[in-house]
Amino acid sequence: DGGITQSPKYLFRKEGQNVTLSCEQNLNHDAMYWYRQDPGQGLRLIYYSQIVNDFQKGDIAEGYSVSREKKESFPLTVTSAQKNPTAFYLCASRTGQGPPGELFFGEGSRLTVL
Amino acid sequence: GQQVMQIPQYQHVQEGEDFTTYCNSSTTLSNIQWYKQRPGGHPVFLIQLVKSGEVKKQKRLTFQFGEAKKNSSLHITATQTTDVGTYFCAGRYSGAGSYQLTFGKGTKLSVIP
Repeated sequence: DGGITQSPKYLFRKEGQNVTLSCEQNLNHDAMYWYRQDPGQGLRLIYYSQIVNDFQKGDIAEGYSVSREKKESFPLTVTSAQKNPTAFYLCASRTGQGPPGELFFGEGSRLTVL
Repeated sequence: GQQVMQIPQYQHVQEGEDFTTYCNSSTTLSNIQWYKQRPGGHPVFLIQLVKSGEVKKQKRLTFQFGEAKKNSSLHITATQTTDVGTYFCAGRYSGAGSYQLTFGKGTKLSVIP
């Protein structure tokens, strides 16, 4: 079955530790996105990538980093510089390189920093 | 930055009642999308509206895009318990940043059986 796989689903980390969230898709989609979701805040864009080896900052990129070495993979690192990292993180992808159509979301990773 | 305002934040309805959520932008949108997120789940695409004044229906759901392409609404007729979840609109602007979607904060719908 085609889709987007995020791992882990739940993650607990201590303050000051970097954390990497995995996002893999087998939909052959060009563009991939990372969103952060907090209660009552909707979805806020962290980073997006239109094509391999290229990515752009979204609205809340500070304290995060990404890479796009393969079309299928778009991992997100939550660094120790992110002041409030506890949140629900959603990875998404879409076909094509033009303006966005439908986004396909993974099931999300819930990060809790203790 | 550009914002899409969505109201209400919460809505509790009796099963069988209608439900509407509204999205508004201060500047013209290129298009708008709607997503549904079930409790504990991830957002799922419902529809995209592109044309001024466009109206689309999916069974009990009616989606509208305003004539000025600055507002949109989702109306559910005769809600059912399966409609429970959070509904998000997501707008796209032309020009710089056109590859991004700006999400509203969502309307959380509860349906009382």
